[in-house]
Amino acid sequence: AQSVTQLGSHVSVSEGALVLLRCNYSSSVPPYLFWYVQYPNQGLQLLLKYTTGATLVKGINGFEAEFKKSETSFHLTKPSAHMSDAAEYFCAVSEAGFQKLVFGTGTRLLVSP
Amino acid sequence: KAGVTQTPRYLIKTRGQQVTLSCSPISGHRSVSWYQQTPGQGLQFLFEYFSETQRNKGNFPGRFSGRQFSNSRSEMNVSTLELGDSALYLCASSLKTSGVIGEQFFGPGTRLTVL
Repeated sequence: AQSVTQLGSHVSVSEGALVLLRCNYSSSVPPYLFWYVQYPNQGLQLLLKYTTGATLVKGINGFEAEFKKSETSFHLTKPSAHMSDAAEYFCAVSEAGFQKLVFGTGTRLLVSP
Repeated sequence: KAGVTQTPRYLIKTRGQQVTLSCSPISGHRSVSWYQQTPGQGLQFLFEYFSETQRNKGNFPGRFSGRQFSNSRSEMNVSTLELGDSALYLCASSLKTSGVIGEQFFGPGTRLTVL
């Protein structure tokens, strides 16, 4: 069975600081990996995804993530945090060809001025 | 294109009642998935429909059911509501193509409160 572990339910950074949100996955088959963001009272928005090919994936709003098979990780980074990045972030995994997403428990990003 | 729409946005029911939630996917999308989001259990997959057929189902009791219509609109139904069914129910649609997972676009959700 697939699973996702997100380390840290809350991460606090200062505006302009590096953002690092951690995600480790478990999958018996090559995984498809995703990062979603959720703002209060809204649905989920896709930030970026890894399916095959280049292991460094660039997404929207300056976010990127690197797929590291040896570490079973897919950490999300952004060089410089902005106040508008404050939200909850979810890492998810899926098997190829299946629409079922298995989500991590989420990390709430707090950005202080 | 209009995004995924879900109705109603908020719903209050009492234990034992049943409820039907509606989801209209993005035009042209044929795959619709449903997820339940709660503070305790997080985001959990309920089921996926594609071309009016349920293709995948999560680990939820039979009180949770769904269907998809020929225009790809989907409904989910929860019968005999329990307090623990209080949650945000999210619908996602995808332009699913054969053998490739399509990006899922999520609606704003329906917040169900069971009293």
